[in-house]
Amino acid sequence: QVQLQESGPGLVKPSQTLSLTCTVSGGSISSGNYYWSWIRQPAGKGLEWIGRIYTSGSTNYNPSLKSRVTISVDTSKNQFSLRLSSVTAADTAVYYCAKFGGGYFDYWGQGTLVTVSS
Amino acid sequence: QSVLTQPPSVSGAPGQRVTISCTGSSSNIGAGYGVHWYQQLPGTAPKLLIYGNSNRPSGVPDRFSGSKSGTSASLAITGLQAEDEADYYCQSYDSSLNASVFGGGTKLTVL
Repeated sequence: QVQLQESGPGLVKPSQTLSLTCTVSGGSISSGNYYWSWIRQPAGKGLEWIGRIYTSGSTNYNPSLKSRVTISVDTSKNQFSLRLSSVTAADTAVYYCAKFGGGYFDYWGQGTLVTVSS
Repeated sequence: QSVLTQPPSVSGAPGQRVTISCTGSSSNIGAGYGVHWYQQLPGTAPKLLIYGNSNRPSGVPDRFSGSKSGTSASLAITGLQAEDEADYYCQSYDSSLNASVFGGGTKLTVL
């Protein structure tokens, strides 16, 4: 049973870079034909796909965030990471990492709240 | 404005049947891409409920079913239970955006 766990600062100042890591357990991040994704959800709002990475390093990003997003993977640590630059209050949200395959997200982390505030 | 359109809310009494619609376009659902559904209980992460239009992961009760036709899809819940009260999201792929896209979510209230 794959498990994912997000970690990182819960508070980020405006204009700075948000950095989160997702640790995958219960299986190798390199096994299978899967992508590893980030999704976010502002309080009281819907889900927004941020982007995904394959273990080869190939990435796809939401066009609305593409200029500010970088997703990377560290297969030796079974982790993948999110960096979102130039954050504003609009980036305040619960950030989820998830495993993606077959077109859908079958395993999700519990989510971590990131607040952008000075 | 979400790429996939869902009603903001639906409701039903225990034991009843409710449906939640998800309307897309020719670049996502209408292009033949699969529709997937997630259930999000209050304060928790979304959970995969239906994948590939109508398939249930192991452990999901057969009270939940999905269907797709043209540019729309639907989630049906029969024998409504209090524990079904949650937010439900549809998801697909959009070829013009080259992105996974979600519906805005539907809040199900069990009366």
